[in-house]
Amino acid sequence: QVQLQESGPGLVKPSQTLSLSCTVSGGSISSGSYYWNWIRQPAGKGLEWIGRLYTSGSTIYNPSLESRVTISVDMSKNQFSLKLKSVTAADTAIYYCARASWNDGWLFDYWGQGALVTVSS
Amino acid sequence: DIVLTQSPGTLSLSPGERATLSCRASQSVSSTYLAWYQQKPGQAPRLLIYGASSRATGIPDRFSGSGSGTDFTLTISRLEPEDFAVYYCQQSGRSSTWTFGQGTKVEIK
Repeated sequence: QVQLQESGPGLVKPSQTLSLSCTVSGGSISSGSYYWNWIRQPAGKGLEWIGRLYTSGSTIYNPSLESRVTISVDMSKNQFSLKLKSVTAADTAIYYCARASWNDGWLFDYWGQGALVTVSS
Repeated sequence: DIVLTQSPGTLSLSPGERATLSCRASQSVSSTYLAWYQQKPGQAPRLLIYGASSRATGIPDRFSGSGSGTDFTLTISRLEPEDFAVYYCQQSGRSSTWTFGQGTKVEIK
């Protein structure tokens, strides 16, 4: 059974860089044909897809965040990570990592439990 | 980018009633790339429907999806107490950007 777990600081100061990691267990991040994603949700609001990383290491980002986002992978730790620079209060949200697999379309089939990140001084 | 607009924003119904949720895309989406997710408070979303009409593993048959092109529908035939939640449509089409609708909350009347 694949499991994903987010980790990282829960509080980040404005203008700094938000950094989160997602540890994958129950399967290798480097095998298969999957997209590894970051998705966020401000309190009481909807879901916003941030970006994805393919098994090969290639990345695609939401254009609205592209100038500030980097998603990378650490195969040795079976982890992928999110960095979001120059954060403001508007970046306060629950951040989810999720796997997308192909089955008649790309489906988010496994999700982490979510990590709350607050941007505040 | 494809924008998904869900309606209504909130649906107030009683257990046993039928729920009909709409998802409209700003441009045509292949049915292959349209999915629905359910989210309950404090939980991550859960996949319900993929390919516009196929139920994910373990999803009861009271949930059904339909539609094509720019108009898609999620129907819950008879609401059970555990179905009161927020529902999101999502597209993973050939465009680089994947998007979610803003969600429909199904609440107890």
